[in-house]
Amino acid sequence: DTAVSQTPKYLVTQMGNDKSIKCEQNLGHDTMYWYKQDSKKFLKIMFSYNNKELIINETVPNRFSPKSPDKAHLNLHINSLELGDSAVYFCASSQGEAGAHLRLTQYFGPGTRLTVL
Amino acid sequence: GESVGLHLPTLSVQEGDNSIINCAYSNSASDYFIWYKQESGKGPQFIIDIRSNMDKRQGQRVTVLLNKTVKHLSLQIAATQPGDSAVYFCAENTGGFKTIFGAGTRLFVKA
Repeated sequence: DTAVSQTPKYLVTQMGNDKSIKCEQNLGHDTMYWYKQDSKKFLKIMFSYNNKELIINETVPNRFSPKSPDKAHLNLHINSLELGDSAVYFCASSQGEAGAHLRLTQYFGPGTRLTVL
Repeated sequence: GESVGLHLPTLSVQEGDNSIINCAYSNSASDYFIWYKQESGKGPQFIIDIRSNMDKRQGQRVTVLLNKTVKHLSLQIAATQPGDSAVYFCAENTGGFKTIFGAGTRLFVKA
């Protein structure tokens, strides 16, 4: 009965590889997010989808491509991985079509720790 | 540029004492503020929020204070417990879906 789940939890890979992280939420939310958390715990928004439509696209290298097949899923594909991509990636969701409290109360997944060697 | 909060500082408190975690924000147009708690190995978890038309909001053992004049936000935790040990983030929103997170404060609770 996990609300927001991510797979895998750990991902260790070589530079130059392509990898994907999957996220699913069973909260019935219509807005999902990807965040990157660096080693200093700084949490930065990368992307957000509302009803499968991209609404936030921060200055992220185009090697990162999100895909939302439906409202419950938001996957993150990363091409040509670099050392600097090593971080913890968090997926989150919220109820978009609502007042500020519900719209901005985000539920986070457990994170995916990506290590690029 | 955008900035919320301080570089990750650490606060150490004795169990049973009150904790005060501070946060400075820079965008005077922000109208909604949220505190999140992140335990080790987990994702951030919502604690409490406050709108810009309020200066205080209370929850269970937590109180958030907002001072718009100096663009300052604080989270007070009463009777701090070992389970409160975590990194705490303040976050701000100016409308839409984009929330800017601060750098976080690590809270250690000594038994």
